[in-house]
Amino acid sequence: AAGVIQSPRHLIKEKRETATLKCYPIPRHDTVYWYQQGPGQDPQFLISFYEKMQSDKGSIPDRFSAQQFSDYHSELNMSSLELGDSALYFCASSDSVWGSYEQYFGPGTRLTVT
Amino acid sequence: AQSVSQHNHHVILSEAASLELGCNYSYGGTVNLFWYVQYPGQHLQLLLKYFSGDPLVKGIKGFEAEFIKSKFSFNLRKPSVQWSDTAEYFCAVKGSGGSQGNLIFGKGTKLSVKP
Repeated sequence: AAGVIQSPRHLIKEKRETATLKCYPIPRHDTVYWYQQGPGQDPQFLISFYEKMQSDKGSIPDRFSAQQFSDYHSELNMSSLELGDSALYFCASSDSVWGSYEQYFGPGTRLTVT
Repeated sequence: AQSVSQHNHHVILSEAASLELGCNYSYGGTVNLFWYVQYPGQHLQLLLKYFSGDPLVKGIKGFEAEFIKSKFSFNLRKPSVQWSDTAEYFCAVKGSGGSQGNLIFGKGTKLSVKP
């Protein structure tokens, strides 16, 4: 079965640079979520989109923005990167109609800021 | 605000020992509860979930969890652990936000199983 795809899997950036993370949800899933997991931490919700509209916002810094496109893929744009942004960024998708609230997680993008 | 607390930060067991990981949530409304497992270097995988009905939920790999509403608990259990169960386990709750609501995770419990 198709899973959530994230790219790139690993990314190394320097401070103050920008980064773009991509997420391709499971086909026919209409909701995408972004989570950030710092080293040894639990995943923290950043932002979510439902049918291409932002549906909820968590602890996403103002330096970050995200959107969901017409093909339902989503991109997380991160600017003015800081050392503390180094983390594993997970995308998850769900089917709000038939999916029984279950979120399926992608493999994550490991971002290292130096 | 909704929150999830996991009592044990690190649990060390020998193979064949029984496992119980504690999870308590704070949310007064209807909750959807989940346990996810994260093997070293991998992504989160769903072990089991509770939405309604039978409070004893069976998941994959021999795991089960019991929802006790009066105690706001959703503890994870396995009768006999294997070395391959070594991983980090996260309890999560989805409360408000309906079907699009985000998950709130506990801090996780790292399980180490000695062969």
